[in-house]
Amino acid sequence: DVKVTQSSRYLVKRTGEKVFLECVQDMDHENMFWYRQDPGLGLRLIYFSYDVKMKEKGDIPEGYSVSREKKERFSLILESASTNQTSMYLCASSPGYNTEAFFGQGTRLTVV
Amino acid sequence: AQKVTQAQTEISVVEKEDVTLDCVYETRDTTYYLFWYKQPPSGELVFLIRRNSFDEQNEISGRYSWNFQKSTSSFNFTITASQVVDSAVYFCALSEAGGSTLGRLYFGRGTQLTVWP
Repeated sequence: DVKVTQSSRYLVKRTGEKVFLECVQDMDHENMFWYRQDPGLGLRLIYFSYDVKMKEKGDIPEGYSVSREKKERFSLILESASTNQTSMYLCASSPGYNTEAFFGQGTRLTVV
Repeated sequence: AQKVTQAQTEISVVEKEDVTLDCVYETRDTTYYLFWYKQPPSGELVFLIRRNSFDEQNEISGRYSWNFQKSTSSFNFTITASQVVDSAVYFCALSEAGGSTLGRLYFGRGTQLTVWP
């Protein structure tokens, strides 16, 4: 079975903290993605990666960075968390271009 | 501009009713792919279907069916004889084969479907 695992289901952090959201996939997929989901806005792409150490900005990269040191792991970093980054964060992976993406269970992050 | 539009924000039906979720997309590519995902209350998005732009045949899978019409740029999803377990947010998505977007998915804003017993 395809598996994308996000390290935390729920997270509460303070404003200004550096936050790491981890995502691991066990399917040897080339591509990995980070989305955030907010009510009424759907899924918005933050960053994606099509290879180890490669990254591309999505639609809303400001305030975020990513790291992909190994193929199976894609980390999202909030350099200095702010309250407007309170959201549901979804990680996904896919085997190639234009293929279906498989999603993790999501991390609900609250910044206070 | 939104590449994928799901005009219905919320739909409520009673069990056993048929329901159609609309999806309209916009692209200049001749080769593209369309997807539907389901997000139940548990939160994890579940892949339902992927179609390419050259295959306009309608597809049926159990109570689910999909109607792809290039002439109207639509890829609608119908659930026949809806059940309470169909209650979820449904997302339509598009990916373009053109090189600049690297095949990323563009999602619509989703339609919240509630099926009442």
